[in-house]
Formats: sequence, structure tokens, C-alpha cells
Amino acid sequence: DAGVIQSPRHEVTEMGQEVTLRCKPISGHDYLFWYRQTMMRGLELLIYFNNNVPIDDSGMPEDRFSAKMPNASFSTLKIQPSEPRDSAVYFCASSQGTGQNEQFFGPGTRLTVL
Amino acid sequence: SQQGEEDPQALSIQEGENATMNCSYKTSINNLQWYRQNSGRGLVHLILIRSNEREKHSGRLRVTLDTSKKSSSLLITASRAADTASYFCATPYASGGSYIPTFGRGTSLIVHP
Repeated sequence: DAGVIQSPRHEVTEMGQEVTLRCKPISGHDYLFWYRQTMMRGLELLIYFNNNVPIDDSGMPEDRFSAKMPNASFSTLKIQPSEPRDSAVYFCASSQGTGQNEQFFGPGTRLTVL
Repeated sequence: SQQGEEDPQALSIQEGENATMNCSYKTSINNLQWYRQNSGRGLVHLILIRSNEREKHSGRLRVTLDTSKKSSSLLITASRAADTASYFCATPYASGGSYIPTFGRGTSLIVHP
């Protein structure tokens, strides 16, 4: 397996534009997580899915953020409209179960909003 | 949310020396995990230690867990330049009927050749 795949790896956009980040989890993993990493706030969990269903989105900062998982092999995180404070590295991770199961992280998308 | 805190925030050592990082947490846990993040990459799982374990080894890594003090340590012996990375502890957080790992801010380790 190629591991967790994220695209794009880098995204530079202007304030107000819509941004869509994409993630393909490892086949067979039934949990998918979206994280945001910044120097100020560290690694924050935004939302996670179990079997394509959103379970906890309490970490999503505001209504400008939305996430979907239409099937077991694809998820998107959308920001509309984007703001400079959204600049961060966004990670997708997947796992088989939770609790003691390790998470497998993608390479991340570095988002810069000008 | 349950979150571990790593200490120190940054550590700089020479190749061959040992590196020790600590993690403190607030409430009872049944396991604790350590991850590594190389610059510009995602996190990679290193080791998991359960609450009924006091110590665990994996290669040059040694992890201890003291549940009475609510703390864990990660020791890297005979460090190499390739060990330069950030190291995070992750503790379980109850969410939606599951336990999700939550991460501290990490310890940034620099190993000088």
C-alpha cells in the first residue's frame, strides 16, 4: 500500500478563495482524521470519520470549514472563504480502529493564504 | 481534552549521546503512544506502552510509563544525526464513543554530527 495520500502538497491562494484538500486513506482503515498543525497551536484534531460517517467535528474552527467522506477511499476538507489565519499544514491520518491503534499520517498539505 | 505535554520543548545534543524526552498528562490513561515527525513530513508511530507496562524497548528506543506520576519518558540511546526530528506523545481522549489520540506540542530534537 502507498500509505495515506494527500493532495495537493502545497497550496497558495488568496484570501476569500475556496480551498479543497484531498485525502486517500489506507485501504481497510475505517477511521480517518483531519489535523491542522501550526507553531502557535501545535497539532489540532479538526474532525474524524468512522466508516465514512463524521463522528466528532468539535475541532472544526468555524463554519468556513467543512469535511466530507463520500466513500471509504476519499475525503475532502474544504475552506470557503479562506483567510490568512488558515495558513497551516493540514494532515490526514487513518487507522484501523481507535484506542490502541496507531495512526498513519499522510505527508500533509502546506496551505498559505495571502 | 486530554493532552500530554512534552518537556523539554527543544533539545540539542551531539551524535552518540543519549536523548531523553518527557511527557506529562492529566488524567488516567490505558495507553500512551510516541510519534516522530521529520521536517516537512507527517507523524510516524514509534511505540505504544500500556498502562500495565512500566518499560518497553524497541531498538535504540526505551519508553517508560509511571502512572502514579502521570508521566512517560522516551530515551533514544546512542543518537544519530538521522534522529533529528520532533517527538510527540499521544494520550487517549474520549470522543464519540471512541478513544482518539491527542498530541502534545512535541520536543524538537537536534542531533549534531
